Amino acid sequence: AQKITQTQPGMFVQEKEAVTLDCTYDTSDPSYGLFWYKQPSSGEMIFLIYQGSYDQQNATEGRYSLNFQKARKSANLVISASQLGDSAMYFCAMRESRDDKIIFGKGTRLHILP
Amino acid sequence: DSGVTQTPKHLITATGQRVTLRCSPRSGDLSVYWYQQSLDQGLQFLIQYYNGEERAKGNILERFSAQQFPDLHSELNLSSLELGDSALYFCASSVDASRSFDTQYFGPGTRLTVL
Repeated sequence: AQKITQTQPGMFVQEKEAVTLDCTYDTSDPSYGLFWYKQPSSGEMIFLIYQGSYDQQNATEGRYSLNFQKARKSANLVISASQLGDSAMYFCAMRESRDDKIIFGKGTRLHILP
Repeated sequence: DSGVTQTPKHLITATGQRVTLRCSPRSGDLSVYWYQQSLDQGLQFLIQYYNGEERAKGNILERFSAQQFPDLHSELNLSSLELGDSALYFCASSVDASRSFDTQYFGPGTRLTVL
């Protein structure tokens, strides 16, 4: 069973608009971490933001915020005021406390239009 | 710059050959992880080392092996290469693998092309 689901293979957004990238996950472990990574066309994987399963508040890092809805097992990434440089592949990922590896979703390719 | 270094950036080789990919973790990080990213399989975890010891194994083929040295750098050895091994190989590092909130920082990757 797929543990991380990203239902949007691709998205086109106008520059300066906010964008939400969807991510749902599946786990029975009560302790887990959720991550978002950005992969530009150059190929590197850039860590963006982290949310712990016991964190009471949604994580924020600059223009990135994570809309964490635990009951729905949802961890959507919100990018405010999108920029051309935000065009990239975005991966949602999860790590369970009983496991050391990170499980990645298939990614969403975001295109920011000028 | 994540602080994780990988060499080489690109590697082109032939089927049947053997290659070694190298990774230096961020200063202070004890855990090293190897991932393979291919078009059909996405990002797949291969193997993890923590302070020189193998900690976890994922979808790593028997033709692949890895080790972590006393200075904490790691090498991934790929042998009897096949066309399907062509992929982007990432190394990631983290401070302490025992915490679920331990962020993994990725290196720039090594792009392997098998001809």
